[in-house]
Amino acid sequence: LAKTTQPISMDSYEGQEVNITCSHNNIATNDYITWYQQFPSQGPRFIIQGYKTKVTNEVASLFIPADRKSSTLSLPRVSLSDTAVYYCLVGDEDSGNTPLVFGKGTRLSVIA
Amino acid sequence: GAVVSQHPSWVICKSGTSVKIECRSLDFQATTMFWYRQFPKQSLMLMATSNEGSKATYEQGVEKDKFLINHASLTLSTLTVTSAHPEDSSFYICSARGGISGRTGGYEQYFGPGTRLTVT
Repeated sequence: LAKTTQPISMDSYEGQEVNITCSHNNIATNDYITWYQQFPSQGPRFIIQGYKTKVTNEVASLFIPADRKSSTLSLPRVSLSDTAVYYCLVGDEDSGNTPLVFGKGTRLSVIA
Repeated sequence: GAVVSQHPSWVICKSGTSVKIECRSLDFQATTMFWYRQFPKQSLMLMATSNEGSKATYEQGVEKDKFLINHASLTLSTLTVTSAHPEDSSFYICSARGGISGRTGGYEQYFGPGTRLTVT
């Protein structure tokens, strides 16, 4: 499983756009990139998943450059409720038996 | 989306007793489930992979005789912490892999809400 590197923490004011970048230099051809959000004492919640280029859903965008060695999660106009830990994971999504291995994640603090 | 439940959501037990945690996939079948443990301010640590109808695969350093995993059906996996001690106090989270997502083409993994275990 590819290792990922993310900033340990980030601060942002409400209403700003937040971009969290994740490095995964050893990503394999079959690997997808998935981001999860976790609040204290809760299980991780799926945010977005992508393989290449750009993916957008109702809560976030995911930008993946052509070499796929990094990815950027973009949260538009964050609010206080977006304060959480964000995890970037890379794994072979073609295999249903492969567990997701979590890195340290990025602790986002949104300030009023 | 798919839902994974855990029961109980929290439990307090005395040192030396055993505690069983259930993980259920509510609206899909999961041949494989995963168990994680999370200590305060730390990331999730994979404990084991639970396979329906076969023995679980444990990560290095996780005692299989202490953390008993049973995956008896396609919708239920249980984790039993035997002879619990205060150092086993943690947040236990299970997850299950669903089918291929129509949105992304990859598998989506769904996590339970977690179980807070406190051993006194």
